[in-house]
Amino acid sequence: GAGVSQSPSNKVTEKGKDVELRCDPISGHTALYWYRQSLGQGLEFLIYFQGNSAPDKSGLPSDRFSAERTGGSVSTLTIQRTQQEDSAVYLCASSLQGGGGTDTQYFGPGTRLTVL
Amino acid sequence: DQQVKQNSPSLSVQEGRISILNCDYTNSMFDYFLWYKKYPAEGPTFLISISSIKDKNEDGRFTVFLNKSAKHLSLHIVPSQPGDSAVYFCAASRSSASKIIFGSGTRLSIRP
Repeated sequence: GAGVSQSPSNKVTEKGKDVELRCDPISGHTALYWYRQSLGQGLEFLIYFQGNSAPDKSGLPSDRFSAERTGGSVSTLTIQRTQQEDSAVYLCASSLQGGGGTDTQYFGPGTRLTVL
Repeated sequence: DQQVKQNSPSLSVQEGRISILNCDYTNSMFDYFLWYKKYPAEGPTFLISISSIKDKNEDGRFTVFLNKSAKHLSLHIVPSQPGDSAVYFCAASRSSASKIIFGSGTRLSIRP
């Protein structure tokens, strides 16, 4: 079956512009996660959705970052007024139930964001 | 504050030999540990995991060892194969929590 998909695969934007990143999770997966990987760093947790609600937003680095999920499926991560330090690969993952590490997370290929 | 640390950014191993990747953690509340493998331009894929009630878990060529007193885990790959060349991420979580904390990764290269 289809895995997690993300779009766009690459995004280049100018500092100060807003960007939207999209994630389509595996059908039937109730949990959805956003991570980012900056150059030379590990995966940094951003936000977790269970259904359409986000019980854990603790990883969002600033109020310029927001995310929503609709219909228990597609999620959009929005970054407003992008800064150069936002440049990273943004990864989305989904899992069947959302039990943290005990419920296997399946990752998409990521969106590489470059802020000039 | 890095709660999960992979101190070796890279490792080169000859094909057929054993690869040992190491990981340390600081949070004693972690009770579930995972290894993910990542190829270029792809998302990470789950490889193997271990619960804190165990000290070893084996799956084919891959074995994960957990030393809770030292807050250390390691991944052993034997024998190493060319397809094992990838970045390996160690990760940890509390089974009651929603998020996984990842290390910075170790790039494994298997040479002929």
